Amino acid sequence: DVKVTQSSRYLVKRTGEKVFLECVQDMDHENMFWYRQDPGLGLRLIYFSYDVKMKEKGDIPEGYSVSREKKERFSLILESASTNQTSMYLCATEMSGRAFVNEQFFGPGTRLTVL
Amino acid sequence: DAKTTQPPSMDCAEGRAANLPCNHSTISGNEYVYWYRQIHSQGPQYIIHGLKNNETNEMASLIITEDRKSSTLILPHATLRDTAVYYCIVRASNTGNQFYFGTGTSLTVIP
Repeated sequence: DVKVTQSSRYLVKRTGEKVFLECVQDMDHENMFWYRQDPGLGLRLIYFSYDVKMKEKGDIPEGYSVSREKKERFSLILESASTNQTSMYLCATEMSGRAFVNEQFFGPGTRLTVL
Repeated sequence: DAKTTQPPSMDCAEGRAANLPCNHSTISGNEYVYWYRQIHSQGPQYIIHGLKNNETNEMASLIITEDRKSSTLILPHATLRDTAVYYCIVRASNTGNQFYFGTGTSLTVIP
């Protein structure tokens, strides 16, 4: 079974703080993704990575950065948290190859509240 | 850009088949149709995907119309644990394109 873990289920931070959300997978998947989920908006892609030290912007990268120093770990960074970044954050992984016809495996999510 | 259109909510009686429709009228030849579901407070879970043929697995069946402009996910015998939000997604196979999840259909299975 693929296991995707996220560092926290619930997190409360203050405006202006630097926030790290970590995602770790144990299946040697090349592709990793960060989404945020908000009521009425569905899941929106923030950043993704197809390899170590590689990153690509998704639909809403503003206010976020990412780090992929090791294959199994993909970190989402909020340099200076703001209240509009209060959301559910979901990490996903995917095996590469097969012309990208693959399923994504999701972590349990981190519900971040910025006060 | 909304690539798929789904009804916002549906009900289904327990034990009956749940048929969830999805419209993807602008689908292109290299795009697959995927279905995921999300149970409250959990991450989305993969259900099934297909290109043009109907597909079946242990969870569900996927029926894709011949013109590929729409599809239906069928849960043959819905249980209370199938209550979830169901997402229909199209994604191209030839590049590293992302999944566009949209807002899905909230399915409620009624006892």
